[in-house]
Amino acid sequence: EPEVTQTPSHQVTQMGQEVILRCVPISNHLYFYWYRQILGQKVEFLVSFYNNEISEKSEIFDDQFSVERPDGSNFTLKIRSTKLEDSAMYFCAGGHHGAFFGQGTRLTVV
Amino acid sequence: QQQVKQSPQSLIVQKGGISIINCAYENTAFDYFPWYQQFPGKGPALLIAIRPDVSEKKEGRFTISFNKSAKQFSLHIMDSQPGDSATYFCAASRPPLSRLTFGEGTQLTVNP
Repeated sequence: EPEVTQTPSHQVTQMGQEVILRCVPISNHLYFYWYRQILGQKVEFLVSFYNNEISEKSEIFDDQFSVERPDGSNFTLKIRSTKLEDSAMYFCAGGHHGAFFGQGTRLTVV
Repeated sequence: QQQVKQSPQSLIVQKGGISIINCAYENTAFDYFPWYQQFPGKGPALLIAIRPDVSEKKEGRFTISFNKSAKQFSLHIMDSQPGDSATYFCAASRPPLSRLTFGEGTQLTVNP
C-alpha cells in the first residue's frame, strides 16, 4: 500500500477554472511537499508544509496557489485560476525530505 | 547556487553492465543527497541516499559515491537489468529546510 495516495489521477480543466488536488498520507507524516513536473522536465519544488504551516515556498508558488490540511489528514493544493502553463504532473510527497512520493495528478489545462 | 547538474541526459547500457550517472552541486550547505527512480506515469521513488560524512553507500546493486571536495556524487548500478530502465534523478537538500532540488534526470535504457 502506498505511503501517499493522490486523487484524482488525471484532471482536465478549462483555463481560468479552479482545481483542487488531493493527497492522503497513510502514515503520520509531519512534513509534506508539493512538487510539479512539466512533461519531460525535472521535478520542481512548489511548497513545503510542516506542523500544519507552510515552511517554505518557491517562486512558482504565487498567489494563485494555496495549500491546506482541512481535516488533519487530507492535504490539498488549490490552483485558483489555472493557466495553460500549469499543465503538469503534480506530486505530493510525505516524510522528511519527501521520502514518499505519491503517484501524481496529471493536470491538463485546455 | 541552488542548482544540481546531472549527466548524462540519456544512457544506454547492455544487460549485466554498469550504469553510471553523475551529479554536481555548488551549494556546500547541501547535506542530504538522494537518488530517485521514476517509471513512466509514476511518481519518483526513493532509491538510495547519502550524507556527506561518508564517501560511499551501497544497497544491493545500487551504490552512491560521494566526493565532497569535488562537490560531486554519482549513482552506480551494477549488473544492470532491463527492469532498471527508467529515469533517474539526483537531488539535494540543505538544513533547516528539507525541500529537494532535483537534477535534470537521466533516462536509462538497459538492453537485453
